[in-house]
Amino acid sequence: KQEVTQIPAALSVPEGENLVLNCSFTDSAIYNLQWFRQDPGKGLTSLLLIQSSQREQTSGRLNASLDKSSGRSTLYIAASQPGDSATYLCAVPSPGNNRKLIWGLGTSLAVNP
Amino acid sequence: DGGITQSPKYLFRKEGQNVTLSCEQNLNHDAMYWYRQDPGQGLRLIYYSQIVNDFQKGDIAEGYSVSREKKESFPLTVTSAQKNPTAFYLCASSIQGDNEQFFGPGTRLTVL
Repeated sequence: KQEVTQIPAALSVPEGENLVLNCSFTDSAIYNLQWFRQDPGKGLTSLLLIQSSQREQTSGRLNASLDKSSGRSTLYIAASQPGDSATYLCAVPSPGNNRKLIWGLGTSLAVNP
Repeated sequence: DGGITQSPKYLFRKEGQNVTLSCEQNLNHDAMYWYRQDPGQGLRLIYYSQIVNDFQKGDIAEGYSVSREKKESFPLTVTSAQKNPTAFYLCASSIQGDNEQFFGPGTRLTVL
């Protein structure tokens, strides 16, 4: 059974710091992995999707890496800003049905001015 | 603007009432999804639809019903059979054959 874990559950950093959010999964036979951002009381915004054949994806100050063999993905945020404060979620498709996503509980990030 | 809209943003229901949450998309996506989000729990899939006039149960379908009469619309009905309906409901869509999902702004349902 696929399980997704995100550590830490919460993180508080000063503005300007580079930071790494972690996502681990138990079944390495994933089709892809998706990172999302959620602001309080809002919907989810898709940040990056990494296919199983890729090692990393970049969008602006965000870089997501994927290591299937170790069951890990990291989301690197460079030069963090207060506007980056949000909850970050990762999700992978369920084995046998890639329409169903298995979700982590998220990392709640606070970037302090 | 292309995107996914959900209405209403806030919804209050008395016990024993059915309520319907709206989800509309103009992205020309074939697949649509409904999730429920509760504090301290991961998103849970209620129903999903890959094509018009077809839908499948997710992990927590009991007490919910859906219809998919049009490609752009996927309404969710929360029935009185759902024992604990207070939650944040999220609708999403994706291109057929691709599981990258895009989300609406959500509806917060509160049972009074």
